[in-house]
Amino acid sequence: NAGVTQTPKFQVLKTGQSMTLQCAQDMNHNSMYWYRQDPGMGLRLIYYSASEGTTDKGEVPNGYNVSRLNKREFSLRLESAAPSQTSVYFCASSIRQNTEAFFGQGTRLTVV
Amino acid sequence: AQSVTQPDIHITVSEGASLELRCNYSYGATPYLFWYVQSPGQGLQLLLKYFSGDTLVQGIKGFEAEFKRSQSSFNLRKPSVHWSDAAEYFCAVDPTGTASKLTFGTGTRLQVTL
Repeated sequence: NAGVTQTPKFQVLKTGQSMTLQCAQDMNHNSMYWYRQDPGMGLRLIYYSASEGTTDKGEVPNGYNVSRLNKREFSLRLESAAPSQTSVYFCASSIRQNTEAFFGQGTRLTVV
Repeated sequence: AQSVTQPDIHITVSEGASLELRCNYSYGATPYLFWYVQSPGQGLQLLLKYFSGDTLVQGIKGFEAEFKRSQSSFNLRKPSVHWSDAAEYFCAVDPTGTASKLTFGTGTRLQVTL
């Protein structure tokens, strides 16, 4: 059982480039989330999808877009990367909104 | 403002010693409470959770946590630490029962000396 799978694991971008972070879960979970982790700041929610077909902003959505492609997949897109988006990005999923979240192993993104 | 506080940024304990990691939250009502562990280069793994009922909850890897409503705390404990417990520990709070509102503390990094 793979759980939550994120690709890629590492990425270096130049300022202004775009890219999409992929996330897939095989646990038949309804809800999916994207967080970023920065030193000394814990994890902060970027966007979430409570169920297939819905997406909502979290605490730090600026500079990002998301797509809930189907129940399994939830992608995060950076249209024009900035150095401030250098971070570790985590995707997570939960059965529904009031249960614990399961996390992927993260994507380390560096924007130069 | 609603918040989660982990007052200890870094803790060092000797292998075999006991451990307590502190977590305090500031919310109007009792939220859902979680402890996660993150090993270097890895994602977060759930250690334990408190939704309701018995205020002393048992988790994986020999960890336990006690919810104290009067102190707004949910401290994590382990009676005897192993070297493999070295990691970063995050307390998280979900005030509404909707995981979209999950708020994490800033983490406590645990170092274990042999």
